[in-house]
Amino acid sequence: QKEVEQDPGPLSVPEGAIVSLNCTYSNSAFQYFMWYRQYSRKGPELLMYTYSSGNKEDGRFTAQVDKSSKYISLFIRDSQPSDSATYLCAIGDGNQFYFGTGTSLTVIP
Amino acid sequence: EAGVAQSPRYKIIEKRQSVAFWCNPISGHATLYWYQQILGQGPKLLIQFQNNGVVDDSQLPKDRFSAERLKGVDSTLKIQPAKLEDSAVYLCASSFELSQGIGEKLFFGSGTQLSVL
Repeated sequence: QKEVEQDPGPLSVPEGAIVSLNCTYSNSAFQYFMWYRQYSRKGPELLMYTYSSGNKEDGRFTAQVDKSSKYISLFIRDSQPSDSATYLCAIGDGNQFYFGTGTSLTVIP
Repeated sequence: EAGVAQSPRYKIIEKRQSVAFWCNPISGHATLYWYQQILGQGPKLLIQFQNNGVVDDSQLPKDRFSAERLKGVDSTLKIQPAKLEDSAVYLCASSFELSQGIGEKLFFGSGTQLSVL
């Protein structure tokens, strides 16, 4: 079983839609949860970071962690064409981090 | 705050040749990581340093890959000899060491895109 699973998509939505991206993980000891955005030919850029459980909101982005289900989500409200990228989740215990395969998102104007 | 610097940005070599990548982490970050990202996949950890010591190199193909981090700052990753399947983006990341020796957020460089022909 992989440490982190992520649906690779691709996901295509119209501009203004709400986007939901998800990851599941296997190790209940994981406490650090990150979402990265990666544009083509660029390195991953840290988008959201959560320690332990709960929700975190930053502008149009909301990260949720459900430790009981070992499930994390990233919501994007009012999606824009500039949000078109690959979104990677990274989960770990602080010493080591495991990445999902990434979900490719396209927002159509 | 300057980010993680990597060079070169692109590299094209023939199989069996050697290649080296360089990384300069964010100032003050004790932990440095090298990841390999094959097209369409998430980054895979190759090696993790804490200061100038190796914490985890369990997924580093040691028959052909080597890495060092001199003086606990810059790092180089070398491949010798390269194979076709080494074609990937090599990402360097760093994180700040907390008091318990645990890292926190990972910050990535732009990566080196390697093509092996």
